[in-house]
Amino acid sequence: EVHLMESGGDLVQPGGSLRLSCAASGFIFSDYAMNWVRQAPGEGLEWVSAISGDGSNIHYADSVRGRFTISRDNSKNTLYLQMNNLRAEDTAVYYCAKFQGDLMWGQGTLVTVSS
Amino acid sequence: DIVMTQSPDSLAVSLGERATINCKSSQGVLYSYNNKNYLAWYQQKPGQPPKLLMYWASTRESGVPDRFSGSGSGTDFTLTISSLRAEDVAVYYCQQYYSPPFTFGPGTKVDIK
Repeated sequence: EVHLMESGGDLVQPGGSLRLSCAASGFIFSDYAMNWVRQAPGEGLEWVSAISGDGSNIHYADSVRGRFTISRDNSKNTLYLQMNNLRAEDTAVYYCAKFQGDLMWGQGTLVTVSS
Repeated sequence: DIVMTQSPDSLAVSLGERATINCKSSQGVLYSYNNKNYLAWYQQKPGQPPKLLMYWASTRESGVPDRFSGSGSGTDFTLTISSLRAEDVAVYYCQQYYSPPFTFGPGTKVDIK
């Protein structure tokens, strides 16, 4: 069964850091680009970042460029999002998602940035 | 960046009636090499992740009822619910996965009249 599961969401103070993980199963992870998408409370969906299957090609939304770093470990079938210098406006549910082949999303993990 | 717009922002439809949501992209999302539109539709209910309804603009995801249909090509797309049921109350989003950033429309809220 194809599955994505995020973890690592937490309450963090402004200026703090957090690393999210997304464990993938049921498909050849290294064959596919992966993405992070977020949704602030009561708001729409915002694409955050994408990384190619081999990790060589990376894209970021302007809102996170320079603060967030996407990476992947294909030996562990895991996607990461390192988030630094967090702001209140980064508060959201973060989803990992696959937009190649069969489109799929995880269940999301909540990041709250507040003092 | 490709900007996605949706109309209307919200709509209220009687049970059993048709609901139509429009989505427009600022650039074409049709890849000529495979003649596919890289356009998806999602349904989202409160507290749940987005659920994929349609991909390639008009291909229904497995398990999605056939009252949902997608159409359009290039820059103009439509999601139609042919006969609205109570469980279809949700927010619907279109998304282009043609090129990063993989932008979403702002969403259309569907409710019962």
